[in-house]
Amino acid sequence: EIVLTQSPATLSLSPGERATLSCRASQSVSSYLAWYQQRPGQAPRLLIYDASNRATDIPARFSGSGSGTDFTLTISSLEPEDFAVYYCQQRRDWPITFGQGTRLDI
Amino acid sequence: QLQLQESGPGLVKPSETLSLTCTVSGASISSRSCYWGWIRQPPGKGLEWIGSIYYSGDTYYNPSLKSRVAISLDSSKNQFSLKLSSVTAPDTAVYYCAGPREGYCGGGSCYYYWGQGILVTVSS
Repeated sequence: EIVLTQSPATLSLSPGERATLSCRASQSVSSYLAWYQQRPGQAPRLLIYDASNRATDIPARFSGSGSGTDFTLTISSLEPEDFAVYYCQQRRDWPITFGQGTRLDI
Repeated sequence: QLQLQESGPGLVKPSETLSLTCTVSGASISSRSCYWGWIRQPPGKGLEWIGSIYYSGDTYYNPSLKSRVAISLDSSKNQFSLKLSSVTAPDTAVYYCAGPREGYCGGGSCYYYWGQGILVTVSS
């Protein structure tokens, strides 16, 4: 099973600042990595798929990079609605696995 | 625009079988070459993939749940279903069904469409 480790567990920033979230895989997942945002009481929302492709209607301030084992989600300038929990997920191998999440706090 | 909706009991007794259905509207699930999935989230915790079913009926399960899980497809009703047997308190979670957007991930398991989730509590 591919283990995804996200860091940091919690990131405390202010609106307007830049956020950098990391996801490291225990073995190569090529580019088969997605990022999700989850706000309280809501279902996850796909932000990035296949490492760097923004999903439909996702603002350009969200970007993804990386391949192999190291991936980054960057939010260039935080908006108030961006404070949420973020998960990475790999689909390179079964079983599908998720990271444990990074909480982005004000 | 696809919509997914989970349905089923919100309370299941220990040792019984949890049964949920996901109804898909906006497209025929049997005509899309993709994987449909079930994911759960215990209260206050992270996301756990339960399993996926391909439009042809092939299934893949989380090894930690494999002995207790079955996912099936009913094309006539445009639904896919989850059964989890011998439930215990740790199976208490919000259960989501999910699917990919056409053109994303080659039909693979990246989830653009999600149901609203259904809280299932295991308690006597």
